[in-house]
Amino acid sequence: EDQVTQSPEALRLQEGESSSLNCSYTVSGLRGLFWYRQDPGKGPEFLFTLYSAGEEKEKERLKATLTKKESFLHITAPKPEDSATYLCAVGDFGNEKLTFGTGTRLTIIP
Amino acid sequence: KAGVTQTPRYLIKTRGQQVTLSCSPISGHRSVSWYQQTPGQGLQFLFEYFSETQRNKGNFPGRFSGRQFSNSRSEMNVSTLELGDSALYLCASSLGSLPVNFGQGTRLTVV
Repeated sequence: EDQVTQSPEALRLQEGESSSLNCSYTVSGLRGLFWYRQDPGKGPEFLFTLYSAGEEKEKERLKATLTKKESFLHITAPKPEDSATYLCAVGDFGNEKLTFGTGTRLTIIP
Repeated sequence: KAGVTQTPRYLIKTRGQQVTLSCSPISGHRSVSWYQQTPGQGLQFLFEYFSETQRNKGNFPGRFSGRQFSNSRSEMNVSTLELGDSALYLCASSLGSLPVNFGQGTRLTVV
């Protein structure tokens, strides 16, 4: 069965202080690794999909990377509006579902 | 283009009642997935429909059911509600593969 573990559970950073969020996964055959951002009371907002080890994608202050066992979401010089819960999920071949981690709650302090 | 629309946004129900939640996917999307989100368990897969056929189902009791209509709109039903069914129910749609676009969810509270 697919498994996704995210760490840390919560992270508080000063504005401008760069850091990384970790997503470790086990999957029989990786179809895609997804990163979402979720604000309180709202649905997840899609950020990136990574498909193979070595792949990287960037969007504004965020950069996602992928290895065969984990993915990192790097946040560079974050701003208070980057505060949210960041979710990681994997999809495998053979079924039409995502398995989610429990998320990292990121707080950026002005 | 309009996103995934879920109705209602909030619901309060009593134990033992049943509830129906609705999801309108992005125009042209034929796959609709449902997820339950709770503080303790995170997001868990309920089921996925494509062209009115259920292709996959998660590990939830039979009280949870769903269907998809010919226009791709989907409904999920929960019968004999329990306190533990209180959650944010999320719908996602896609062209035919893994879900990318989620709706804002329906917050169900069972009292």
